[in-house]
Amino acid sequence: NAGVTQTPKFQVLKTGQSMTLQCAQDMNHEYMSWYRQDPGMGLRLIHYSVGAGITDQGEVPNGYNVSRSTTEDFPLRLLSAAPSQTSVYFCASRDGPGNSPLHFGNGTRLTVT
Amino acid sequence: AQTVTQSQPEMSVQEAETVTLSCTYDTSESNYYLFWYKQPPSRQMILVIRQEAYKQQNATENRFSVNFQKAAKSFSLKISDSQLGDTAMYFCAFMEPSGAGSYQLTFGKGTKLSVIP
Repeated sequence: NAGVTQTPKFQVLKTGQSMTLQCAQDMNHEYMSWYRQDPGMGLRLIHYSVGAGITDQGEVPNGYNVSRSTTEDFPLRLLSAAPSQTSVYFCASRDGPGNSPLHFGNGTRLTVT
Repeated sequence: AQTVTQSQPEMSVQEAETVTLSCTYDTSESNYYLFWYKQPPSRQMILVIRQEAYKQQNATENRFSVNFQKAAKSFSLKISDSQLGDTAMYFCAFMEPSGAGSYQLTFGKGTKLSVIP
């Protein structure tokens, strides 16, 4: 059971470039989300999805797009990378409401120069 | 909006000793869920322990236990018999039981714990 798989693990972009961070889960979880982690800031929610075809914004959505065409996949797109988007990005999934925990991917370290 | 505060940016503890990490939160909800996550240098996020607010009994998981004080909105983590592998960032997190907030965790800024041999 692979759990939540994120690719790539590391990425360097130049300002203005675009890219997609991939996230896939094999647990048939309805809920998926993207967080970014910055030093001294904890983890902050970027976007989330409660099922295929349904997405919504989190705390820090600007500069990012998401879509959810299947239950398994939830890619995060950076439209025009900025140095402020240098961060570690985590994808996570969970079963649904209640106290079921978030299952995290191993993160993507993104550097924008 | 809910907020989670971890007032100790860094802590250290001698191997085999006990350490307590603090967490307070602000909410107007009467029921909710609380979590502690561990992030070792490998960057992986690992669930340590969880607590449901309607349960008065404090959660325990082996060497990890919590002191949940609902009236004080406090949720501290106690690590007993500290081991070198406990060296990590620890995040406290809050989640609402229903509605849009039930799908997101609100995290504190973390406490960096170092276990000293």
